[in-house]
Amino acid sequence: AQTVTQSQPEMSVQEAETVTLSCTYDTSESDYYLFWYKQPPSRQMILVIRQEAYKQQNATENRFSVNFQKAAKSFSLKISDSQLGDAAMYFCAYRRRDNYGQNFVFGPGTRLSVLP
Amino acid sequence: GAVVSQHPSWVICKSGTSVKIECRSLDFQATTMFWYRQFPKQSLMLMATSNEGSKATYEQGVEKDKFLINHASLTLSTLTVTSAHPEDSSFYICSALKSVNEQYFGPGTRLTVT
Repeated sequence: AQTVTQSQPEMSVQEAETVTLSCTYDTSESDYYLFWYKQPPSRQMILVIRQEAYKQQNATENRFSVNFQKAAKSFSLKISDSQLGDAAMYFCAYRRRDNYGQNFVFGPGTRLSVLP
Repeated sequence: GAVVSQHPSWVICKSGTSVKIECRSLDFQATTMFWYRQFPKQSLMLMATSNEGSKATYEQGVEKDKFLINHASLTLSTLTVTSAHPEDSSFYICSALKSVNEQYFGPGTRLTVT
């Protein structure tokens, strides 16, 4: 079974600085998707960024980028120019590519605090 | 993006009663929807996968007779907590699959059973 691990329960970053959140996963599949979701205090889950495993290029979305290391099964999220609104729980997630019915596997989450 | 609504956003019910939570995809059709439960400061725990026109697939340890799921149309799935007890109090989140890698979440429902 696939598992997702986030080794940092809590992180903090100074406003305008850069922070990296770690995620590792375990799978025997070669084709899959990886995601970072954000859950602010409102508890609405929001997709931050998505990576397709067959793409070697790291995904980027404005201030958010990932470092995808397929061989190491690592998928870290870098937040640049951190803003107060970035404070939230961040969940790393995995999904197999080939099956609509396959569920998403979530990591335990990292709580990010942004200090003014 | 896409929008998924959930109703109600919060509900208080008495022990022994049943409560229904609705999950709707507002601007797309979703063959597959997921129901999650989230305890405070924890990750999302998948309860069941809801497929339109067929029976839901429940995760191990989730009582199918207690958590009834009905996916009656391509835009609506419902979760009914039957004979609710205080231990069922939790935050319930649904999501809808727009494509194989596009999952959109509802805003969640806070259930309190007194």
